[in-house]
Amino acid sequence: GAVVSQHPSRVICKSGTSVKIECRSLDFQATTMFWYRQFPKQSLMLMATSNEGSKATYEQGVEKDKFLINHASLTLSTLTVTSAHPEDSSFYICSASPRTGGNSPLHFGNGTRLTVT
Amino acid sequence: AQSVTQPDIHITVSEGASLELRCNYSYGATPYLFWYVQSPGQGLQLLLKYFSGDTLVQGIKGFEAEFKRSQSSFNLRKPSVHWSDAAEYFCAVGEQASGNTPLVFGKGTRLSVIA
Repeated sequence: GAVVSQHPSRVICKSGTSVKIECRSLDFQATTMFWYRQFPKQSLMLMATSNEGSKATYEQGVEKDKFLINHASLTLSTLTVTSAHPEDSSFYICSASPRTGGNSPLHFGNGTRLTVT
Repeated sequence: AQSVTQPDIHITVSEGASLELRCNYSYGATPYLFWYVQSPGQGLQLLLKYFSGDTLVQGIKGFEAEFKRSQSSFNLRKPSVHWSDAAEYFCAVGEQASGNTPLVFGKGTRLSVIA
């Protein structure tokens, strides 16, 4: 079945550095991918919608200059957390669905645990 | 705007007992409803989904859910819980059957299973 791969699964970085998280659709093309953030023991909150070949759409309150999203191909979207701070520590999850649409549900990556020290 | 309410933050059941996790949604049009399960530190796994048709949907791992439009509910059930079912469960609603719109998630229900 459709698989979404997210890398890395865990990353620890120092405050002030940048971290890139990759989201790949392994066996389908996705014109749209979504990035969510999940704080401990909380639900998933949509951060942004990543559109292939165009600018991402950010949810209210999400800093686009801090969370850079690039959707350069139909199988890859990246989220870069720039100048990371401890409050950015969280679980980041991407999702994607085959571009053919229909009744294809969103498939989720396994998430990336970011810890900023 | 869409919203999802999962009234129970944490539920504990005995292994072998039946389970029902509640989910209520708010959405003006026809909802597309999902249940996902998340183990600690892991991503989400789709248990089942409702798009249309039969209001009782069967999912993986022996789970089922019933869509009740009159009650705006989509409760998840399992007749006999296994210890491996302990996890976080999320109900979600989407605008479309396809994946071109994001999902809105409830806050989740943590399931603990005791012997």
